[in-house]
Amino acid sequence: DIQMTQSPSSVSASVGDRVTITCRASQDISSWLAWYQQKPGKAPKLLIYGASSLQSGVPSRFSGSGSGTNLTLTVTNLQPDDFATYYCQQAYTFPPTFGGGTKVEIK
Amino acid sequence: QITLKESGPTLVKATQTLTLTCTFSGFSLNTGGEGVGWIRQPPGKALEWLALIYWDDDKRYSPSLKSRLTITKDTSKNQVVLTMTNMDPVDTATYFCAHRLKGSGSYYPDYWGQGTLVTVSS
Repeated sequence: DIQMTQSPSSVSASVGDRVTITCRASQDISSWLAWYQQKPGKAPKLLIYGASSLQSGVPSRFSGSGSGTNLTLTVTNLQPDDFATYYCQQAYTFPPTFGGGTKVEIK
Repeated sequence: QITLKESGPTLVKATQTLTLTCTFSGFSLNTGGEGVGWIRQPPGKALEWLALIYWDDDKRYSPSLKSRLTITKDTSKNQVVLTMTNMDPVDTATYFCAHRLKGSGSYYPDYWGQGTLVTVSS
């Protein structure tokens, strides 16, 4: 299985900040990566797929970049609704695997 | 509008078999490119993919759980069923079913059910 390692595991930020989350894959996954946002007690929400394609209805302050083994999610102008846990998921090969999550907390 | 909803027991005993049903609307598993998968999340932990079934009845399973999992579909009822045998307390988790983003070339879950918490007692 491809191992996905997210960093940091948690980050404290303020409204209006820019936050960057990194996902490192144990092997080259090209651009086969998705990012999800999850709030407590809720299902994950797809934000980005194909490393950089914004899912319909997702605000443009979310962006994804990178390819290969190091990929990033950037949230610019952080909003109160963005405080949540974020997960990456590789879709390069089966089984799809998820990172351990990054919790974005209010500073 | 695509919706999915999981149903099944909230409590099972160790060694028992778990059967979960995902009832969906807004798409048909008779349509090319469609797929529905299952993903679970132990309390306070990360997501773990379990299984996926495609419109053409192709099935994929997590290698580590393959011997315990079976995924099937009933297109007439718009349902996907997951069975997991020999349940253990470590299988306590919220179980989600999720629709495959069509046309993506891979499995990106775009629509998710609300999830159902299954607790396994010893």
